[in-house]
Amino acid sequence: GNSVTQMEGPVTLSEEAFLTINCTYTATGYPSLFWYVQYPGEGLQLLLKATKADDKGSNKGFEATYRKETTSFHLEKGSVQVSDSAVYFCALSDENEGYQKVTFGTGTKLQVIP
Amino acid sequence: NAGVTQTPKFQVLKTGQSMTLQCAQDMNHEYMSWYRQDPGMGLRLIHYSVGAGITDQGEVPNGYNVSRSTTEDFPLRLLSAAPSQTSVYFCASRGREIGEQYFGPGTRLTVT
Repeated sequence: GNSVTQMEGPVTLSEEAFLTINCTYTATGYPSLFWYVQYPGEGLQLLLKATKADDKGSNKGFEATYRKETTSFHLEKGSVQVSDSAVYFCALSDENEGYQKVTFGTGTKLQVIP
Repeated sequence: NAGVTQTPKFQVLKTGQSMTLQCAQDMNHEYMSWYRQDPGMGLRLIHYSVGAGITDQGEVPNGYNVSRSTTEDFPLRLLSAAPSQTSVYFCASRGREIGEQYFGPGTRLTVT
């Protein structure tokens, strides 16, 4: 079956530091990949996505590149802000399941301190 | 355009009680789903629906029922609540974009 593995948190960074959150996946088909963000007390929101190999998704200064050879989709941001403090979820959706289901990782909590 | 709405926001039940978590969306999305979020477990799919009248089980369906009589509404029923069902429940809907789901604000349920 499909699975998503992300680095354990929490991750604590100072403002303006560089962020990397690792994500690797296994999939039976050719997946689309996503990063979702959950701010405290809220539901998840789509942050960015990539639907084919070597695609780069980007939004709000965050980037992730779909690496088929390493089955990875690491999230990066060059300079984090306090407002980026949230839980980040890597996820995939697979053509073999008709893209009907989304498989989520366990989430990585990011705390940015001033 | 309210997106995905869920009620109630918080609920406390005693073991054995039943209740229904409400979910509605106004985006005319065909696909809707229910997840539970537990610490260290991420989100786990409970049930999903690909359209009115069509539902299917997800990863953790036991103890929950769903129905989909309209495109807009997708209620989740707990038949006989158990402490193991203490969790935060999220409803989500998806349009034509692959995998891009819209989540409600969640219902925090405690079963004592």
